[in-house]
Amino acid sequence: AQSVTQLGSHVSVSEGALVLLRCNYSSSVPPYLFWYVQYPNQGLQLLLKYTTGATLVKGINGFEAEFKKSETSFHLTKPSAHMSDAAEYFCAVSTGRRALTFGSGTRLQVQP
Amino acid sequence: KAGVTQTPRYLIKTRGQQVTLSCSPISGHRSVSWYQQTPGQGLQFLFEYFSETQRNKGNFPGRFSGRQFSNSRSEMNVSTLELGDSALYLCASSTGEAKNIQYFGAGTRLSVL
Repeated sequence: AQSVTQLGSHVSVSEGALVLLRCNYSSSVPPYLFWYVQYPNQGLQLLLKYTTGATLVKGINGFEAEFKKSETSFHLTKPSAHMSDAAEYFCAVSTGRRALTFGSGTRLQVQP
Repeated sequence: KAGVTQTPRYLIKTRGQQVTLSCSPISGHRSVSWYQQTPGQGLQFLFEYFSETQRNKGNFPGRFSGRQFSNSRSEMNVSTLELGDSALYLCASSTGEAKNIQYFGAGTRLSVL
């Protein structure tokens, strides 16, 4: 079985500050890992994904995440927050069964 | 390239009724997955269809069913609606491998009164 834990249901940062959203996963097989973002009244948009290879993954809008197998983590970071980053972020894991298992989400608030 | 299209965007039904939601995947994608999103349970996988066959199923009662047509379009049906079925239903399409990206539609918001 696979599972995802996102620490912190709400994170608040100031505009220009570092964004760090935490994700830990549990999987009995090598996982595929994803970060999605959801804006109000919209579906999910992919930010980035890790399948194999380089453990530091760069995504859209300046986000990146590092796969750390020893820590079973896949934290999402962005050096400088922008007001438009305010949204809900979901970490997800997929294995051979293809269905995505999502974390409970982290709502990011960006203060001016 | 057009994205994933879900219709309708909003639905209001009463308890006991049934509802059908539609999803048109990205052209060339043969896999369609359905997810339910609620404030209490978060995002939960319902089922996946690939080339008209249900390939994977989540932990939902039999009232939730789906199908996929030869053009990969998919429908999801919920019979005997309950208040707890109120949710955002999201459809995702992909080429069908676990490592591949699932592209999501904007969802159908179902309210059961």
